[in-house]
Amino acid sequence: DTGVSQNPRHKITKRGQNVTFRCDPISEHNRLYWYRQTLGQGPEFLTYFQNEAQLEKSRLLSDRFSAERPKGSFSTLEIQRTEQGDSAMYLCASSSPPRLAGGRVRETQYFGPGTRLLVL
Amino acid sequence: QKEVEQDPGPLSVPEGAIVSLNCTYSNSAFQYFMWYRQYSRKGPELLMYTYSSGNKEDGRFTAQVDKSSKYISLFIRDSQPSDSATYLCASYTGNQFYFGTGTSLTVIP
Repeated sequence: DTGVSQNPRHKITKRGQNVTFRCDPISEHNRLYWYRQTLGQGPEFLTYFQNEAQLEKSRLLSDRFSAERPKGSFSTLEIQRTEQGDSAMYLCASSSPPRLAGGRVRETQYFGPGTRLLVL
Repeated sequence: QKEVEQDPGPLSVPEGAIVSLNCTYSNSAFQYFMWYRQYSRKGPELLMYTYSSGNKEDGRFTAQVDKSSKYISLFIRDSQPSDSATYLCASYTGNQFYFGTGTSLTVIP
């Protein structure tokens, strides 16, 4: 399977614990995105990497959240001191660099299956 | 105001019906629009993309953009029970993707 993979698929933790999720993007993709999705909502942007550089972070990403992509391949998202409000699906997506064709920019993201987090 | 607004539904139609899913957007800089399908407890799957200047057809699916009214539509012809999912519209500018809340669709056999 050459798609985006995420591990674990499900995580149940107690409030105050730390959790770490992993994302393995499509191998030739140099861009990697993390999103959070709650029930009945669309994905909300958290952060994005181009290769190993973290280029943008949403203000949704509090200081309890940290993401890394040390070698420009897989990425990890860590949540420290989890709170019940952190319960959500955490989605990873990857893409290749935007293409410019005929004056139009196009970037296509491919999503992983997500990690569903439940904080008790 | 969110960058992309979408009626959450739910929408329920009989098999074979034509389905119309709609979004509005607020940012005139948006040029590139996408529709994703998301089955329950799965990640979104890209269905179609289109630019602000035209329509695009792919099998039973047609995506339209009306730039003047900032309106995005997805039409599904001959809807099937397997089309039952949440449909997300999205747009892209400046290295960021913006998603609607999704419309839940059920196609009844």
